[in-house]
Amino acid sequence: IVLTQSPGTLSLSPGERATLSCRASQTVNNNYLVWYQQRPGQAPRLLIYGASTRVTGIPDRFSGAGSGTDFTLTISRLEPEDFAEYYCQQYASSQLTFGGGTKVEIK
Amino acid sequence: QVQLVESGGGLVKPGGSLRLSCEASGFNFNDFYMAWIRQAPGKGLEFVVYISPNSGHRNYAESARGRFSIIRDNAKNSIYLQMNRLTVEDTAVYYCARGDQSWSEFFDSWGQGTLVSVST
Repeated sequence: IVLTQSPGTLSLSPGERATLSCRASQTVNNNYLVWYQQRPGQAPRLLIYGASTRVTGIPDRFSGAGSGTDFTLTISRLEPEDFAEYYCQQYASSQLTFGGGTKVEIK
Repeated sequence: QVQLVESGGGLVKPGGSLRLSCEASGFNFNDFYMAWIRQAPGKGLEFVVYISPNSGHRNYAESARGRFSIIRDNAKNSIYLQMNRLTVEDTAVYYCARGDQSWSEFFDSWGQGTLVSVST
């Protein structure tokens, strides 16, 4: 399953809303899709699993939605620490795949 | 707290071999799938391989099958990645990651990574 993330880069200001897209080449069964955040120089951090379930400790400004082939990660109001790279990953197929990433940068 | 510490990265020539290690602490290692995931410089994440708690199930990415081998030692809370016939395309930071306890195939904890550079 090929995951295509868009846009490649999102330029926004703190306080603004960010909407990131992850589109799959085929249906992601059971919505087995997760989102990670990766800050520069750091390891990825799990944010969302099952397309929409937030990991314990993740702020509620992060939300995931979608099903089938189209998924979104929304950050309702960007905080300075949210400017980072975001990746989706599917676990519906045994060949686990990641999207190419969306960079959220400060405008 | 969960800690994953990778080691063993370095510079190797094309065609060479390298063995990466990951030592885990802060959780019951015997209960979790473990994985290696890599990230080429300036690029995205790429799944490499995962291994089940009893080593009975291994799942390799196409790019790793036949060249890489994952091993785990539950007595030492460690996993290893033996990489053979390395190419320049294998240059990346290699992360050790823990599979989620319920679903196994996504990763709830990551190490800081170890850099593997394949170059002449």
